[in-house]
Amino acid sequence: DIQMTQSPSSLSASVGDGVTITCRASQSISSYLNWYQQKPGKAPNLLIYAASSLQSGVPSRFSGSGSGTDFTLTISSLQPEDFATYYCQQSYSTFRTFGQGTKVEIK
Amino acid sequence: QVQLQESGPGLVKPSQTLSLTCTVSGDSISSGGYYWSWIRQYPGKGLEWFGYIDYSGSTDYNPSLKSRVTISLDTSKNQFSLKLSSVTAADTAVYYCAREGRHGPGYLDYWGQGTLVTVSS
Repeated sequence: DIQMTQSPSSLSASVGDGVTITCRASQSISSYLNWYQQKPGKAPNLLIYAASSLQSGVPSRFSGSGSGTDFTLTISSLQPEDFATYYCQQSYSTFRTFGQGTKVEIK
Repeated sequence: QVQLQESGPGLVKPSQTLSLTCTVSGDSISSGGYYWSWIRQYPGKGLEWFGYIDYSGSTDYNPSLKSRVTISLDTSKNQFSLKLSSVTAADTAVYYCAREGRHGPGYLDYWGQGTLVTVSS
């Protein structure tokens, strides 16, 4: 199976800060990488698909980049509603796998 | 607006079979465009993909769970189901159903709200 490793596991930031989360795959997954946001008690919500495509309705402050094994999710200016846990997921392999999550907390 | 809703017992005894159903509205599971998936999340932790089924009933499963998992369709009710056999306390989790596109990058664009299943005697 393809292992997905996110870093950092958690971070503290202030409203207005820029934030970058990294996801690394254990083998090349081309651009088959998706990002989700999850708030407590809620289901994950799709933010970015195919590494860099913004899901409809998602604010433009979210962006994704990368291909192969290394990917990033960037939030250009954190808003109060962005404090949540973020997960990457690969869809290259039929056996889908997720990263362990990155929790973005208020500083 | 596509909506998915999980239902089933919230408490299952060890060694028994966990059974959950996902009811889909706003889309037809027999339309052919999507995979219908199950994912679970351990308390406070990460996400684990179970597998999916397509409109024809073709399935793919997580290899580590394959011996215990069955995903099936009921097109007449626009539902799909998950059965997990021989459960233990380690299967206690929130279970989600979700939709994934069959063509293209393969992302989960609609999710149910999730249902907590506790395995305990």
